[in-house]
Amino acid sequence: SQELEQSPQSLIVQEGKNLTINCTSSKTLYGLYWYKQKYGEGLIFLMMLQKGGEEKSHEKITAKLDEKKQQSSLHITASQPSHAGIYLCGAPYFNNNDMRFGAGTRLTVKP
Amino acid sequence: DGGITQSPKYLFRKEGQNVTLSCEQNLNHDAMYWYRQDPGQGLRLIYYSQIVNDFQKGDIAEGYSVSREKKESFPLTVTSAQKNPTAFYLCASSVMGGYTFGSGTRLTVV
Repeated sequence: SQELEQSPQSLIVQEGKNLTINCTSSKTLYGLYWYKQKYGEGLIFLMMLQKGGEEKSHEKITAKLDEKKQQSSLHITASQPSHAGIYLCGAPYFNNNDMRFGAGTRLTVKP
Repeated sequence: DGGITQSPKYLFRKEGQNVTLSCEQNLNHDAMYWYRQDPGQGLRLIYYSQIVNDFQKGDIAEGYSVSREKKESFPLTVTSAQKNPTAFYLCASSVMGGYTFGSGTRLTVV
């Protein structure tokens, strides 16, 4: 079973619309990372959240961490075709020496 | 510029062959990782190494082997024992929890 569950699995939105992607952990979170991946390419770091209640923004993308709910959300405002891709959340866990990842959310933005 | 270089970008393997995927980093990171990515699934850890000359199995190590003779290099060999090797392979390195990923190698069995 995966430690991190992402929802939705895929998302199709019209350009200009807002959207939210969720990432829920089955274990205690000590930090949460968001990455973006274009098909067939590596992962590009977006944001890192370390403290409960922390919120970070970069351009039109905002991520929040709710430690109590063991959940993070990624919100994109006024989506553009350049936002299309796969968004993955990742988290380190104390009993692992690596980062675990969600299955990803595939975002399509229709012009 | 510092980064991780994976090569080749595309690789084709015949049944029964071993192939080696290259991963080189010039970030001076101690830890390096190999992940496998299949459609609709997250990244699954194959092997990781936290220091030179030491490496550990991840969740899906069967059919794979690695070496870490130099800090900069962490090659992955996909052996003939790996029954379903067609996938996208990602190498990463990290320091203080921050991961940097390579651009990946797509391996196809023909």
